[in-house]
Amino acid sequence: NAGVTQTPKFRVLKTGQSMTLLCAQDMNHEYMYWYRQDPGMGLRLIHYSVGEGTTAKGEVPDGYNVSRLKKQNFLLGLESAAPSQTSVYFCASSPTGSYATNEKLFFGSGTQLSVL
Amino acid sequence: ILNVEQSPQSLHVQEGDSTNFTCSFPSSNFYALHWYRWETAKSPEALFVMTLNGDEKKKGRISATLNTKEGYSYLYIKGSQPEDSATYLCASNTGGFKTIFGAGTRLFVKA
Repeated sequence: NAGVTQTPKFRVLKTGQSMTLLCAQDMNHEYMYWYRQDPGMGLRLIHYSVGEGTTAKGEVPDGYNVSRLKKQNFLLGLESAAPSQTSVYFCASSPTGSYATNEKLFFGSGTQLSVL
Repeated sequence: ILNVEQSPQSLHVQEGDSTNFTCSFPSSNFYALHWYRWETAKSPEALFVMTLNGDEKKKGRISATLNTKEGYSYLYIKGSQPEDSATYLCASNTGGFKTIFGAGTRLFVKA
């Protein structure tokens, strides 16, 4: 019963390097999300997807790109990492995206990213 | 209130103590209030989703209430146990993907 799986769990990058975080869910959920969590702050939405082949910007999209080529996978890319992107990244999914009502989010366990 | 604010930021209690935290959120354009429990190195897990003023939800020793008119929710833990140690997040949705998370209340329960 995997749920939402994120890889890698930890990563250290140098400024200017690129990387891709992978999120996979096995619950056939339509909606997927990427959040970042910084000390003393709430989770902030980076990008989200309402279905295979679609993506949209969230609250803090700058410096990130995403792709949803397959329904079960949602990739988050950093093309040129900056120290300001040091954070814990969470992927989440929800069945139909009716987040305004009773639909809860299912989260991955997070990726700790440090950019030096 | 424009943001979701949680208090206290952290809380240390003894095993067996009952405790409660507060989540304050914008009362305008309210759709839903979510509580999540997040243990370090694990995935945040949903505890409750509440949508109606006066809603009360309960799951074992944990319960929550909702006041949408004044914009607050309380989370109660009765008889805290060490395994309750975690960060408790609340999130308010004001429509669509306009979801605001609080910074969380970190609970430490000492045996």
